[in-house]
Amino acid sequence: DTEVTQTPKHLVMGMTNKKSLKCEQHMGHRAMYWYKQKAKKPPELMFVYSYEKLSINESVPSRFSPECPNSSLLNLHLHALQPEDSALYLCASSQDGRRETQYFGPGTRLLVL
Amino acid sequence: AQSVTQLDSHVSVSEGTPVLLRCNYSSSYSPSLFWYVQHPNKGLQLLLKYTSAATLVKGINGFEAEFKKSETSFHLTKPSAHMSDAAEYFCVVITSGTYKYIFGTGTRLKVLA
Repeated sequence: DTEVTQTPKHLVMGMTNKKSLKCEQHMGHRAMYWYKQKAKKPPELMFVYSYEKLSINESVPSRFSPECPNSSLLNLHLHALQPEDSALYLCASSQDGRRETQYFGPGTRLLVL
Repeated sequence: AQSVTQLDSHVSVSEGTPVLLRCNYSSSYSPSLFWYVQHPNKGLQLLLKYTSAATLVKGINGFEAEFKKSETSFHLTKPSAHMSDAAEYFCVVITSGTYKYIFGTGTRLKVLA
């Protein structure tokens, strides 16, 4: 089973709202990733967690706050977003990170009004 | 520095004809290379990967790719296109000691009836 699940599938939020995206995998992977993908572009890496510790933050604005409560779960907390943050947010996981195949979830389509 | 170039932003083929999606890479080290497919509003699905074993790699749905070190290429092929192959395809390189995927800009494949 190579499934990564993400909830919700769609999210609409105002600029003053607080919301969270959730990602889950049960493959025993120890690295998890958040990507942002704008239309007609490749995904852009935001964060990497390795063994539940944040190992890469690609200079993402603080209005995005990741959390890894355990090895199966990854959250992305959203607060005071801007309309330009509207995108498809993809979660991925890999066995232990380095040079490993990443398995992607279906994504959350976020619209910020 | 690592990079990957997808030589065609759009490719159109007729159903039942061969598919060729071109990818060239640049890497200082022995790379791992991947092809992913993304259908509209979906996540990325792994088609195949090269990790320094056989140079001809077979993937899912009849796709295959050949690693050619002398040409620094990793082109994706399929003998006979199907309507369901219409999607965005990403070539990805990852090199030693890193978590980071380097994505190509993508090739949109259109399959004509």
